[in-house]
This record gives sequence, structure tokens and C-alpha cells, in this order.
Amino acid sequence: DADVTQTPRNRITKTGKRIMLECSQTKGHDRMYWYRQDPGLGLRLIYYSFDVKDINKGEISDGYSVSRQAQAKFSLSLESAIPNQTALYFCATSVGGSTDTQYFGPGTRLTVL
Amino acid sequence: ILNVEQSPQSLHVQEGDSTNFTCSFPSSNFYALHWYRWETAKSPEALFVMTLNGDEKKKGRISATLNTKEGYSYLYIKGSQPEDSATYLCADHSGGGADGLTFGKGTHLIIQP
Repeated sequence: DADVTQTPRNRITKTGKRIMLECSQTKGHDRMYWYRQDPGLGLRLIYYSFDVKDINKGEISDGYSVSRQAQAKFSLSLESAIPNQTALYFCATSVGGSTDTQYFGPGTRLTVL
Repeated sequence: ILNVEQSPQSLHVQEGDSTNFTCSFPSSNFYALHWYRWETAKSPEALFVMTLNGDEKKKGRISATLNTKEGYSYLYIKGSQPEDSATYLCADHSGGGADGLTFGKGTHLIIQP
């Protein structure tokens, strides 16, 4: 079984809809991250969490919110989806900070029409 | 250099040949440099995390070097094989939040049989 899972894997939604992407991990890591990837751009950090009580904005947090329901679960929400949020979204986890490897989930491909 | 930059953007290499590509990053406030291998439809997979100037790491036919004073890292692949075809991402700590990574756009490597 995969250590970092994401649901759904693919989603098509309409402008204005609320959508939640979920990430679960069995690695026991405290730190979790959400990134988005757009063609021609590098992965960009949306939000990250040090633990259940500590959530921080990343480079491109506008239009997104997150919830860390438990150590193992970190959800990303788009309150009112817009077409330029169409992207590939990755969740990642790590034991500690910037010198520790990040382990990525399989990604969620989101299309906003 | 203000951002993480990778070159070339894409690279075609004959099977059996060796190749290398570059990651440039801001040399100030350096914490760590990460290399990931990303195959289409899969998750990015960690290759190396490098922290010390002059560091060299190796995994099989793949190796990497790090120069933190001038802000660059090289990734080398010796005797390229078709399974090496992937996008190679580098990331550092600058500008991505306290613990998030800032990624380059990647080098897309295609090994031709």
C-alpha cells in the first residue's frame, strides 16, 4: 500500500463549486504539504503544516484553505473554484524540515470548467 | 539568482551515453538542495538531499555535486538507460516558506534507444 495517498485522483468541477482534496499518510510524519504543478512551472507551495495545531501559508495560498484533521490527514479546499486553479495537486510529507526528504502522493488532477 | 533555475529544459540522449544537467539556486540563506526524479503519471521520488558545500552523492549510475558558494548543483547520469527517462527536479529552501521547497521547472530527459 502507498504511504501517501490522495483522493480523488481526478476531478472535473465547475466554476464556483466548493471542492476538497484529501491526503492521508501512514508514514507517521508530522509535516505535510500541498503543492500545485502547472505546465511550464515548477511545483509551488500552497500550504504546509508542522503538526495538527500549526498551519502555514505557502507561496500561493490565495483561494485555498486547509484542514489538518489528524497527524495522518491534511485536506485542501477550494471554496469557490475558478478555471485558473486547474492544475495537478500534490500532497507531500516529511519527518522534519528543509533538510529532510519529502515524500509525495500520486497527485490529483483537477479541472475547473 | 533569485529563483531555482534548471537547464537545459529538455534533453535527448542516446542510450549508453552519459549526461549531466544543472540546477542554479540563490546562494544566500542556503539550507539544503533536493533532487527528485519524476516519471510521467507517478509521484516525484527523492534522489538526494544535499547540505554541505562540496558534497557529492551517488545512487547507482546517478550522482550529484553541490557548490553552495556559487549556488549550483550538477546531476550526472552515467551510461543512460531508457528507464532513466523522466523529469528531474531540483528544489531548495529559499522563498518557499519556513519549510516548504522552491522547485525549479525541471529538466525533461529522454533516452533514445
